[in-house]
Amino acid sequence: DSGVTQTPKHLITATGQRVTLRCSPRSGDLSVYWYQQSLDQGLQFLIHYYNGEERAKGNILERFSAQQFPDLHSELNLSSLELGDSALYFCASSVGGSSYGYTFGSGTRLTVV
Amino acid sequence: GIQVEQSPPDLILQEGANSTLRCNFSDSVNNLQWFHQNPWGQLINLFYIPSGTKQNGRLSATTVATERYSLLYISSSQTTDSGVYFCAANRDDKIIFGKGTRLHILP
Repeated sequence: DSGVTQTPKHLITATGQRVTLRCSPRSGDLSVYWYQQSLDQGLQFLIHYYNGEERAKGNILERFSAQQFPDLHSELNLSSLELGDSALYFCASSVGGSSYGYTFGSGTRLTVV
Repeated sequence: GIQVEQSPPDLILQEGANSTLRCNFSDSVNNLQWFHQNPWGQLINLFYIPSGTKQNGRLSATTVATERYSLLYISSSQTTDSGVYFCAANRDDKIIFGKGTRLHILP
C-alpha cells in the first residue's frame, strides 16, 4: 500500500456521461498530481495542486476539471465522456513541489462504452 | 517544455542477465525518479535520484545531472522484473514521463 488512495478502482460508463475520480494523498503530503495513461499516449501530465491551489497544468482537456479540497483530497471531474477518454487515471502525491519525490496511487481504470 | 527520452524501447532478456536502461532529459531538472509498472498496472517507486548513485538490492541507478542523463541497472534479472520502466523528471511543478522501456525476462 503506497498510502495514496484512489477510488473507484474501476469505472464503466457511457459516452456523454460525467464521472468523478477521487484521490486521497499520503498523510502529510500537500501536492497532488493527476495523470492519464492510455495505450498510445503513455503517461500524460494533467494537473498539479499544492495545498488547495493549482500549480501547473498539462494537457488537460476543457471537458476535464479538478480541485483540491481543504482536507487535501482531490477530485478529477471528467464530463461529456468520449470513447477516447478510456484510460488509467493515476494520482500521485508528494510533500511539496518539484524538488520532492512522489508516490502514485493504484489508479482508476475508466472504460467508456 | 522538457523532453524525456528513454532507451531502448523494448528489451527481451534471459533470466539471470544484466541490463542497463537509459533516460535522457533535455534540460535541467529538480528531481528525477525511476518507476516500475508491473503487469497489473501499479507504478512502483524505485529510486528518487536527482544526482549521484543509489543501490537497492539488484537494482541501482546513477544520474549525471550535468550531462542530463540517468541510468538504471538491473543485475541477475528475474521474471518478476518484467514490466515497463519509466523515468520521470520534475521541472516547473510538472512531472514529465518518458515513454518507458518494456522489459520482458524469459524463464
